[in-house]
This record gives sequence, structure tokens and C-alpha cells, in this order.
Amino acid sequence: DVKVTQSSRYLVKRTGEKVFLECVQDMDHENMFWYRQDPGLGLRLIYFSYDVKMKEKGDIPEGYSVSREKKERFSLILESASTNQTSMYLCASRYRDEQYFGPGTRLTVT
Amino acid sequence: DAKTTQPPSMDCAEGRAANLPCNHSTISGNEYVYWYRQIHSQGPQYIIHGLKNNETNEMASLIITEDRKSSTLILPHATLRDTAVYYCIVINAGGTSYGKLTFGQGTILTVHP
Repeated sequence: DVKVTQSSRYLVKRTGEKVFLECVQDMDHENMFWYRQDPGLGLRLIYFSYDVKMKEKGDIPEGYSVSREKKERFSLILESASTNQTSMYLCASRYRDEQYFGPGTRLTVT
Repeated sequence: DAKTTQPPSMDCAEGRAANLPCNHSTISGNEYVYWYRQIHSQGPQYIIHGLKNNETNEMASLIITEDRKSSTLILPHATLRDTAVYYCIVINAGGTSYGKLTFGQGTILTVHP
């Protein structure tokens, strides 16, 4: 079974803090993704990576950066958290067109 | 990618088959039909996909009409744990733009005891 894990299920941060969300997959997949999911807005792609040290912006990259130093790990960084970044963050890894998601991190920025 | 239409909600009795329809009348020849589901407070889960033949795996069956304009996901013996939002999406065989997924509103399936 493919396993994608995320470092936290729930996180509360203050405005202006730097936030790190970690994602690890154990299936040697090359492609990994970070999405956020908000009510009424569906799933939106923030960044994706198709190989180690490779990254591409998705549809809403502003306010975020990513890091992929090892194949199994893809990190999402909020440089200076803001209240409009309160959301559910979902990491996924991809095999062909099947994406395998982690459990999600519900981030609240106060 | 072709757009899909699903009913907003459906109910099913536990132990019975749940049949979830999806219309994708503008699907093109090289587009696959994919199904995902999302249980409350969890990440989406891949279920099954197909091109034109019916498909079955340990989770579900996928029936695609001959003209490929619609499909039905079948959960043969629904359980309470199958209560979730089910998303039907169409993806080009060449891959999605960046590989990203875009879900519509989906169908909220509620399985009753």
C-alpha cells in the first residue's frame, strides 16, 4: 500500500510566523504535490515537484515556497503566515495518473 | 479536460449496492474516467479509473457506457465507512496539466444503517 504521511494533522500558528509542513511518501514516486482545500473553492494546486530539487508553481503559489532535497520528502513553507492561509493542506504523490494523498494538515493562522 | 456532472447527494442502505452516476458527455477519445472519494476530515482516496471497458478492483466497479458519455461507480456492498464525497473526473491520457487534480462538487453518499 502506498503511504503518504504529513507531519501534523492540526496546527495553530500566529500571523507572521514561518510554518513548515512536511510530507513523506514511501513508494519512490517522482511526482509530489501540495494542494490546499477550502469550502466552495475545491482543491487548488500550490506547488508540485517532478524530481529531487525540481519544483514548479501551481495555480496559487503566492506566499508559499517548497523544498525537495530527497525523493521521499516534499516540504511546504509559509514564509510569513497570514490569516488567509488558514486551510486544509493536502500532500499527494503520483503514480501515472493515480494520486495518493496524505491525511491532510488543518492549519489555523490567528 | 471534459467537464463532469454528478448528483449532489445520494443515500444508500448498508449492505446494498451504491450506484453513483456521472455524466461526461464532452469526453474525448483519449480521456480516462477517474473516481476518487474523500471521507470527512481525510485526504482524497483514489478508487478506480477506466477508458472504455468496464473495470473492477477490490474497492469498486466502474461501468462506462458504450458511447462513453456517462459512467457509474458501483460499491457492491456499501458500509457505513463508505459515507464520503465521491468525485468523478476526466483526465487526458497524456496527463493532466502539471498532473494536478481538479475536483467538482462531487456526490455526497450517505450510507444508512
